[in-house]
Amino acid sequence: DTAVSQTPKYLVTQMGNDKSIKCEQNLGHDTMYWYKQDSKKFLKIMFSYNNKELIINETVPNRFSPKSPDKAHLNLHINSLELGDSAVYFCASSFGGRSSYEQYFGPGTRLTVT
Amino acid sequence: QKEVEQNSGPLSVPEGAIASLNCTYSDRGSQSFFWYRQYSGKSPELIMFIYSNGDKEDGRFTAQLNKASQYVSLLIRDSQPSDSATYLCAVTTASGTYKYIFGTGTRLKVLA
Repeated sequence: DTAVSQTPKYLVTQMGNDKSIKCEQNLGHDTMYWYKQDSKKFLKIMFSYNNKELIINETVPNRFSPKSPDKAHLNLHINSLELGDSAVYFCASSFGGRSSYEQYFGPGTRLTVT
Repeated sequence: QKEVEQNSGPLSVPEGAIASLNCTYSDRGSQSFFWYRQYSGKSPELIMFIYSNGDKEDGRFTAQLNKASQYVSLLIRDSQPSDSATYLCAVTTASGTYKYIFGTGTRLKVLA
């Protein structure tokens, strides 16, 4: 069984459109994350949710809106897509409450904005 | 100054040699340290984590932590071509329990 899954795997869309990426984990973790990895492979945290509560919002444009309906799911909705949004978006999960817990990543969603 | 720094490489080593990957961090209160391996087009995969000063060994991998020098390293013994990947160092900050800061990664090439 896949531990952290994301859909879709690939997303090609035009500027100005709105799109969503979904993430689910079956590891029983209580904390989930969204990361953006740009063309230079730099992995930067965007959001973190613990028990459905937003914990981290790293100065991400408000065109990006995460939603966590429950501990096992974290979705990312992006409005008015821009060329600079093209990247690979990774979802991850871990146990929260202590900084020592390791994170597990989903397979990524490659977003291409044309 | 970047919060977590790594040499981008590529670091080229011959098959069977020891590969040494280094990472420095700026937050002196950082608590936990992780090494991830990322193959091209794939997601990061956890290799090791270390919390205390000293060495931690797992198979061919050894993580070394020196908090006084704010330095963490990963040694890969008997390097194999299948070890060729980008290695990401990640650090959890002292200010919160949910934030992991990643370095830019070091690309390792093991030459057969």
